[in-house]
Amino acid sequence: EDKVVQSPLSLVVHEGDTVTLNCSYEVTNFRSLLWYKQEKKAPTFLFMLTSSGIEKKSGRLSSILDKKELFSILNITATQTGDSAVYLCAPHGRSYQLTFGKGTKLSVIP
Amino acid sequence: ETGVTQTPRHLVMGMTNKKSLKCEQHLGHNAMYWYKQSAKKPLELMFVYSLEERVENNSVPSRFSPECPNSSHLFLHLHTLQPEDSALYLCASSQDQESTDTQYFGPGTRLTVL
Repeated sequence: EDKVVQSPLSLVVHEGDTVTLNCSYEVTNFRSLLWYKQEKKAPTFLFMLTSSGIEKKSGRLSSILDKKELFSILNITATQTGDSAVYLCAPHGRSYQLTFGKGTKLSVIP
Repeated sequence: ETGVTQTPRHLVMGMTNKKSLKCEQHLGHNAMYWYKQSAKKPLELMFVYSLEERVENNSVPSRFSPECPNSSHLFLHLHTLQPEDSALYLCASSQDQESTDTQYFGPGTRLTVL
């Protein structure tokens, strides 16, 4: 059975802090790993990672994958209140199967 | 209109009602998905359609019945639901279901079963 474990489950930080969110996984026929941000409703796509060791960046967010150790991290620097959300990790295994973790709930306080 | 849209956004129904959720994607994708998101639980895949054919049903109760008349539209027909079926139902689409491809989500329908 495919497994995804995200940590921490929740995190409260002050604006300007840097945070690191963790995702470890065990999936059959691993193809890629996706990160999503979920605020009130639909998850919105952040990154898709397919290769180990190659950092993907988008503004203050960055992510990297380690396929040997089966984990990924999502970093957010200089956090803002608008970063408050649940961050979901979803490895892509069998051709159509995204297995979602429970998410990390990030709260950024002014 | 672009992206993935879902209607209605909110739905309250009794256990004896029959209702349908609608999803439409304007991305030219070939695969569509229904997910259920309950409080404090991970997103659960319910159904997958690829080129209008169902390719996966993750042991979903028969009171949920999907329909995919074409590659742009996906329905979820609901009948005799239970209160524990109250959840956020999300539709997603991707280019196809074979490649390592991003799934794009609709805004969801918040369903409450009384």
